Amino acid sequence: QKEVEQDPGPLSVPEGAIVSLNCTYSNSAFQYFMWYRQYSRKGPELLMYTYSSGNKEDGRFTAQVDKSSKYISLFIRDSQPSDSATYLCAMRGTGTYKYIFGTGTRLKVLA
Amino acid sequence: DTGVSQNPRHKITKRGQNVTFRCDPISEHNRLYWYRQTLGQGPEFLTYFQNEAQLEKSRLLSDRFSAERPKGSFSTLEIQRTEQGDSAMYLCASSGTTHTEAFFGQGTRLTVV
Repeated sequence: QKEVEQDPGPLSVPEGAIVSLNCTYSNSAFQYFMWYRQYSRKGPELLMYTYSSGNKEDGRFTAQVDKSSKYISLFIRDSQPSDSATYLCAMRGTGTYKYIFGTGTRLKVLA
Repeated sequence: DTGVSQNPRHKITKRGQNVTFRCDPISEHNRLYWYRQTLGQGPEFLTYFQNEAQLEKSRLLSDRFSAERPKGSFSTLEIQRTEQGDSAMYLCASSGTTHTEAFFGQGTRLTVV
């Protein structure tokens, strides 16, 4: 079993929809959680960064961490065709800077 | 542009040749990471530096791979005697001390023929 599980998709939604992307993990030591967006043949771009449990909002993006369930989510409101990309979750524990990534979820927002 | 810079962006090499990639991190970032990403997969950790010290190294990093960060600034990743299985995107990232989230470069795409 992988330490971080993420549905690879693809996930297709109409423009304007609310998108929910999720990751589950098995290592209870993970404390730092990140979401990256990656366009084809480009490097990952950091979207959200949260520590421990709770919610964080930035514009159309909201990140949620539920450590009791070992589950993290990224919500995208008013999705746009330009949001079409692969979304990667990443996480690490304290005492290490080794980030563990999910496989990524491909998102397609249809105009 | 003050982001992470990687060179070259693309490299095609013949099997058995050595290749070297360079990464220039964000100025003032003391931590630097190398990851490898294959199609349809998330980035896999290879190694991490804090300043010039290589503090973690993945078991994925065989003896043919070596990374350096002299003087704690730019870093190089060398692959000796390349194999077709080395074909991948090699990503570099950096992070600071106050804000520890990692910022990635655009990657170097390696094709071994």
